[in-house]
Amino acid sequence: DVKVTQSSRYLVKRTGEKVFLECVQDMDHENMFWYRQDPGLGLRLIYFSYDVKMKEKGDIPEGYSVSREKKERFSLILESASTNQTSMYLCASSIPGSPYEQYFGPGTRLTVT
Amino acid sequence: EDQVTQSPEALRLQEGESSSLNCSYTVSGLRGLFWYRQDPGKGPEFLFTLYSAGEEKEKERLKATLTKKESFLHITAPKPEASATYLCAVQAPGSSYKLIFGSGTRLLVRP
Repeated sequence: DVKVTQSSRYLVKRTGEKVFLECVQDMDHENMFWYRQDPGLGLRLIYFSYDVKMKEKGDIPEGYSVSREKKERFSLILESASTNQTSMYLCASSIPGSPYEQYFGPGTRLTVT
Repeated sequence: EDQVTQSPEALRLQEGESSSLNCSYTVSGLRGLFWYRQDPGKGPEFLFTLYSAGEEKEKERLKATLTKKESFLHITAPKPEASATYLCAVQAPGSSYKLIFGSGTRLLVRP
């Protein structure tokens, strides 16, 4: 079974803090994704990585950055957290041959106060 | 504008009561439509891929169909375990990895 794990299920941070969300997959997948999920808006892609150190911006990259130093690990960084970044953050992975069959982690519910 | 709209937003069924969820899309040149299931507190789980109008896929009590403008997820005689949010997504035009997601249908099946 593919397993995608995320470092925290729940996180509460203060405005202005630097926040790190980590994602690890154990299936040697090349592709990794970070999404945020908000009620009524669906899942929106923040960043995508197709290989170590390679990344592409998604639809809503503003206020976020990412790091992929190892194939199995993909980190999302909020440089200076703001209240409008309160959301559910989901990490996913997939293989290049089936980029849309994505395996998701359980999510991190981040609250910024 | 490329868009995916799912209806209804929420659906309550009695156990055994069959129904359908709708996913309508407006994208130029559909190259793939995907259904996911999301249980509360969990990430989405991939269910089906559909590529062309007329295509159908089945898995247990679920059947997904595709026309030129919409897809249906038919749920036959559901059990309470089918309760979840069902997400529809389409491949974004011009991208080899981006999906455009709908906001989902929350399904509750009562025993």
